[in-house]
Amino acid sequence: AQSVTQLDSQVPVFEEAPVELRCNYSSSVSVYLFWYVQYPNQGLQLLLKYLSGSTLVESINGFEAEFNKSQTSFHLRKPSVHISDTAEYFCAVTFSGGYNKLIFGAGTRLAVHP
Amino acid sequence: DGGITQSPKYLFRKEGQNVTLSCEQNLNHDAMYWYRQDPGQGLRLIYYSQIVNDFQKGDIAEGYSVSREKKESFPLTVTSAQKNPTAFYLCATFGPGGVNEQFFGPGTRLTVL
Repeated sequence: AQSVTQLDSQVPVFEEAPVELRCNYSSSVSVYLFWYVQYPNQGLQLLLKYLSGSTLVESINGFEAEFNKSQTSFHLRKPSVHISDTAEYFCAVTFSGGYNKLIFGAGTRLAVHP
Repeated sequence: DGGITQSPKYLFRKEGQNVTLSCEQNLNHDAMYWYRQDPGQGLRLIYYSQIVNDFQKGDIAEGYSVSREKKESFPLTVTSAQKNPTAFYLCATFGPGGVNEQFFGPGTRLTVL
């Protein structure tokens, strides 16, 4: 069965510092990987996704994630965070033949401090 | 303005009452999903529908029911059989063709008093 583990429930960081949010998945078949961001009392917004091709994917607001098949990981990174990046981040996976059902990790709350 | 509408944003109900959460979309997407979000647990799939007049149970369907009479609408009823209904409920859609992304509505926060 597929599963997603986000290794940190909370990550505090100072503004302009680098950050990494970790995500590991378990699957016996090919997967498609996503990072979503959620601001308080709002729905989820797609941050970036890996479907195929280059293992390094980037978002328009400076985040990037690298698909590592051997380590079954899809960690999210940003070299310099802003206060506005404070939010909850969810890693999710779906797989071929899975009717596009997403399996989510428990989430990581990123708190950026001045 | 295309998107997904969920109403109401906040909903209160008394124990023992059924309540229906609305989800409407004008994206012309075939597939629709309902998720429940609890603190520290991520999102869990309640029901999903790939096409009108068809739907399947997700991982936590007990105590919930849905209908899909129109492509645009996928209402979720939280019944009195749901033992712990207080949560944030999110509706999502998925467009036709391939693996892309799910689009999420703004959510409804249900509180049982």
